[in-house]
Amino acid sequence: NAGVTQTPKFQVLKTGQSMTLQCAQDMNHEYMSWYRQDPGMGLRLIHYSVGAGITDQGEVPNGYNVSRSTTEDFPLRLLSAAPSQTSVYFCASSWFGEETQYFGPGTRLLVL
Amino acid sequence: RKEVEQDPGPFNVPEGATVAFNCTYSNSASQSFFWYRQDCRKEPKLLMSVYSSGNEDGRFTAQLNRASQYISLLIRDSKLSDSATYLCVVNNRNTGNQFYFGTGTSLTVIP
Repeated sequence: NAGVTQTPKFQVLKTGQSMTLQCAQDMNHEYMSWYRQDPGMGLRLIHYSVGAGITDQGEVPNGYNVSRSTTEDFPLRLLSAAPSQTSVYFCASSWFGEETQYFGPGTRLLVL
Repeated sequence: RKEVEQDPGPFNVPEGATVAFNCTYSNSASQSFFWYRQDCRKEPKLLMSVYSSGNEDGRFTAQLNRASQYISLLIRDSKLSDSATYLCVVNNRNTGNQFYFGTGTSLTVIP
C-alpha cells in the first residue's frame, strides 16, 4: 500500500512550457485534491474531485487543468507555466466525508 | 478575509514547557476542524481532529469554541520532536468537502 504518490519530486520549467504533475493513490479514495503551498499563504486548493469523471475548481484554479478518468489518478496540468506558479504542489486524497486527508510527498516546481 | 487565521509565530520554547496555539475561522457553517502537523519540506499529516467537547491525545489537547469561531491546540511537556509547523484546518462539506488551511504556526522546542 503506497498511499499517495506524486511525480516528479522536483521540476524546473521555462515560462510558457507545459507539464503534467502526476498523482496516484491506491486506497480507493473518492475524494482527491490538489493544493499549492507558498510562503505566508498556507495551502490553497487548486482543483478537487469527488469521484471519477467529476472535477471542480478550488480557490486558485487559473492556469491549471485537471481530469479524473479513474479513481486512482488525478493529474494536474499546467497549460503555459508562469513564474507565479513556482510553488510546492501537494496532492491529497480521502474518502468523501472522511476526516483524514492523506497527502503525497509534494512536487517542488520552479518556473524561470 | 481569510477562511482560517493563525499566528505564524515562531514559538521558541524550552523542553518541558507548555505551549498553546490558537486559530480563528470565518465561516460559521464550517463543520469539521483539525490540527495538522507539517515537518520542514514534508507533507502535512493529521495530528488530531477537534470536537466541540474538546479532545485529548496524550500531551495534546484540542478545543473548539463554535460561538467564537476559535480553535486551540495545547501541547504539554514539549519534546524536541514536537518542533514543526502546526496547521489549523476547517472543512465545510456544503462546499464540496473543501478543506481550508491556515498559514501555520511554527514551533521550535529548544534543549
